[in-house]
Amino acid sequence: QVQLQQSGPGLVKPSQTLSLTCAISGDSVSGNSAAWNWIRQSPSRGLEWLGRTYYRSKWYYDYALSVKSRMTINPDTSKNHFSLQLNSVTPEDTAIYYCARSVNDWGFDSWGQGTLVTVSS
Amino acid sequence: DIQMTQSPSSLSASVGDRITITCRASQTLNSYLNWYQQKPGKAPKLLIYLASSLQSGVPSRFSGSGSGSGTDFTLTISSLQPDDFATYYCQQSYTTLPTFGGGTKVEI
Repeated sequence: QVQLQQSGPGLVKPSQTLSLTCAISGDSVSGNSAAWNWIRQSPSRGLEWLGRTYYRSKWYYDYALSVKSRMTINPDTSKNHFSLQLNSVTPEDTAIYYCARSVNDWGFDSWGQGTLVTVSS
Repeated sequence: DIQMTQSPSSLSASVGDRITITCRASQTLNSYLNWYQQKPGKAPKLLIYLASSLQSGVPSRFSGSGSGSGTDFTLTISSLQPDDFATYYCQQSYTTLPTFGGGTKVEI
């Protein structure tokens, strides 16, 4: 059974970088069938997919247009986790952030517990 | 981006009722449509994938279907149980940029 455990700060100052990590158990970040995603949820924007990484002989990355210029996902095979970095945050980035696994584009079948990140000075 | 429109945004129902939630996509999805249930304070839970396939462990009272157009989809709960009062979301996985519907809150 796949489990995802998120970690990272719940408060970030405006203009700084939001960083979260998702530790994977029961699967491999470099497996050939899964993709590893970041999704956020806020009252104003609903559920918003942010980006993903996956390994198919090399690493691939996809990002939502709304965050593409500010976001980086980094897989770490030695720790079997992947991370999110979102630069230059504003209060509009305040949301619950989730990591999630998808397999063969058949939906997000495993989710982290969620991290409420507040952007405030 | 593909726009996903759910209706209704909320509904009131009773235990034992049959309910249907609709999701419409702005372009064809070729059945790459998924449904989730979310309860307060919890992550969404995958119920249905590829429009009509039941995720492992999900009760059979949940079912999904799609129209021939590939743009209209429904989630049906055949007999509503107390544990089913939650918010339901559709999500398309047809493109490399997944998008979600706005949600349907099912209340008592």
